[in-house]
Amino acid sequence: GAGVSQSPSNKVTEKGKDVELRCDPISGHTALYWYRQSLGQGLEFLIYFQGNSAPDKSGLPSDRFSAERTGGSVSTLTIQRTQQEDSAVYLCASSSVGGNEKLFFGSGTQLSVL
Amino acid sequence: RKEVEQDPGPFNVPEGATVAFNCTYSNSASQSFFWYRQDCRKEPKLLMSVYSSGNEDGRFTAQLNRASQYISLLIRDSKLSDSATYLCVVTSSNYQLIWGAGTKLIIKP
Repeated sequence: GAGVSQSPSNKVTEKGKDVELRCDPISGHTALYWYRQSLGQGLEFLIYFQGNSAPDKSGLPSDRFSAERTGGSVSTLTIQRTQQEDSAVYLCASSSVGGNEKLFFGSGTQLSVL
Repeated sequence: RKEVEQDPGPFNVPEGATVAFNCTYSNSASQSFFWYRQDCRKEPKLLMSVYSSGNEDGRFTAQLNRASQYISLLIRDSKLSDSATYLCVVTSSNYQLIWGAGTKLIIKP
């Protein structure tokens, strides 16, 4: 597709379960970001991938969160042992270079932890 | 002090009016500046970049004041469809994007 694709669009899970969120960036975009947004709040940076460089994981809130990007394209954000406070919209964005170029966002995954 | 600060609003503005809001940043080494628009329960979308000399796109004008470390967004002849949250973004190094929490704008008929 032409845009950033995220799946699933909605995920309801039980506390303590693991979840995987997927992001398919725009083809050729080397930079990929994961953000989290709670209702009525701003964007919270989670992790950044740029080409083959080591990712910037400084925004991950705990060791229950991890992400990988295979082959410089698709990325998966994994949350282990989910907690209710993990409930939020998880947004993925990509850009052609990173930093000084505009970001294209996916429509997000709404995660609800019961 | 937050690195990027915005008045959360909401700004309630009658249709057809002009509205402006600012975004202040703390890092004087910041390099690039953007305004994004986010509709309710939607993803952010780029509205416009902000250039040093100021720039205009239709009814929208963005300006940068490096001395006072803020950027501004002015919307003329506001439309109902302009109702949204406006996010400012500041970059400092190659990839450090610092997001403001957004200013909510409500245009009333």
